[in-house]
Amino acid sequence: DAKTTQPPSMDCAEGRAANLPCNHSTISGNEYVYWYRQIHSQGPQYIIHGLKNNETNEMASLIITEDRKSSTLILPHATLRDTAVYYCIVRALPSGNTPLVFGKGTRLSVIA
Amino acid sequence: KAGVTQTPRYLIKTRGQQVTLSCSPISGHRSVSWYQQTPGQGLQFLFEYFSETQRNKGNFPGRFSGRQFSNSRSEMNVSTLELGDSALYLCASSPGQGNEQFFGPGTRLTVL
Repeated sequence: DAKTTQPPSMDCAEGRAANLPCNHSTISGNEYVYWYRQIHSQGPQYIIHGLKNNETNEMASLIITEDRKSSTLILPHATLRDTAVYYCIVRALPSGNTPLVFGKGTRLSVIA
Repeated sequence: KAGVTQTPRYLIKTRGQQVTLSCSPISGHRSVSWYQQTPGQGLQFLFEYFSETQRNKGNFPGRFSGRQFSNSRSEMNVSTLELGDSALYLCASSPGQGNEQFFGPGTRLTVL
């Protein structure tokens, strides 16, 4: 079973920041937080991952709370092409070879 | 670098038949994982191969099998197809175990 809880859906206006929350209250010390997204009828796309520090790349920023029980994925300037299902996943690394366990994710709709 | 490729992209079979799906990972990637996606169950892990060895297996019946070749290409086979096997089958590759996974576009299997 997925160890994360996400809202089923969210809307965001085009050009505004999209903030997608994720709860992972039972996360272990060796587990990372991963984010993937799946645009309709395509394979999931890796976005970002982190352990306890905030992370940023060209796609998004990941903010992890100090107690690591929740995190937020931020798309700074959402576009219509960001409409997708976003999955938050916790996974042990680097010694673990556990597979990705996908929950139901958050369906983000970016509205013009 | 070319991404993960999967063939065929679409497939229609009838109950009782068997099917073989193919996945070519990103060049240099040695780990290949397979997932099944259905509207009811979401994305579920099937198995993972690393250096031609199955390292991890999900909770699927023995009708689902796979293998990996020395060039890291992988195939999965489903025998005695059932209607419930209709799904999008996704392959993901990564440089090694535990790294982020990069997904292919999937093979959409329809069982009639």
